[in-house]
Amino acid sequence: AQSVSQHNHHVILSEAASLELGCNYSYGGTVNLFWYVQYPGQHLQLLLKYFSGDPLVKGIKGFEAEFIKSKFSFNLRKPSVQWSDTAEYFCAVKPYYGNNRLAFGKGNQVVVIP
Amino acid sequence: EAGVAQSPRYKIIEKRQSVAFWCNPISGHATLYWYQQILGQGPKLLIQFQNNGVVDDSQLPKDRFSAERLKGVDSTLKIQPAKLEDSAVYLCASSPTQGGDTQYFGPGTRLTVL
Repeated sequence: AQSVSQHNHHVILSEAASLELGCNYSYGGTVNLFWYVQYPGQHLQLLLKYFSGDPLVKGIKGFEAEFIKSKFSFNLRKPSVQWSDTAEYFCAVKPYYGNNRLAFGKGNQVVVIP
Repeated sequence: EAGVAQSPRYKIIEKRQSVAFWCNPISGHATLYWYQQILGQGPKLLIQFQNNGVVDDSQLPKDRFSAERLKGVDSTLKIQPAKLEDSAVYLCASSPTQGGDTQYFGPGTRLTVL
């Protein structure tokens, strides 16, 4: 079964700082990759996804993620965060074949200080 | 487009009692998922339906958990009897098909077992 690792569970940074959240997965086959975000009091929503093609994926609100197949990684980045980016961010991986189950990491709680 | 609806939003019960959660997916979505999210962890898949058939229930504790989607639309998840460790947020999600499609999540039901 696939597993997903997210480090630095709690991240605190100031507005305009750059953000990078790491995501590593263990699965040898082809995967679909996702980043979901949960803003305070709201439900999980898709930030961006990678299925195939350009490994640099751009999502909503200025976020982007890069798929590096050799490193089994799908790190999320934003050059300049805003207070409204305070949220919990989850990386998720789904095998293209096999059990088709979406596996989530433990999440990163990001707090942006105005 | 209406999102995934769940009820109730909050539920507090005592251990050994039973509880049921309801989910109405996005109209036309064939696949429905129930997840359990324990505090500090990412969502974990409990069961996946394709229309009214079960696709994956390998992580569902079948001695106490059950779920149904009789008409292939809305679904009910039941816990009987509840244990303290069942305290979690129960998320429902839906997607148009079973494959690599994005899953759309509901607001969740926060269950507290005392």
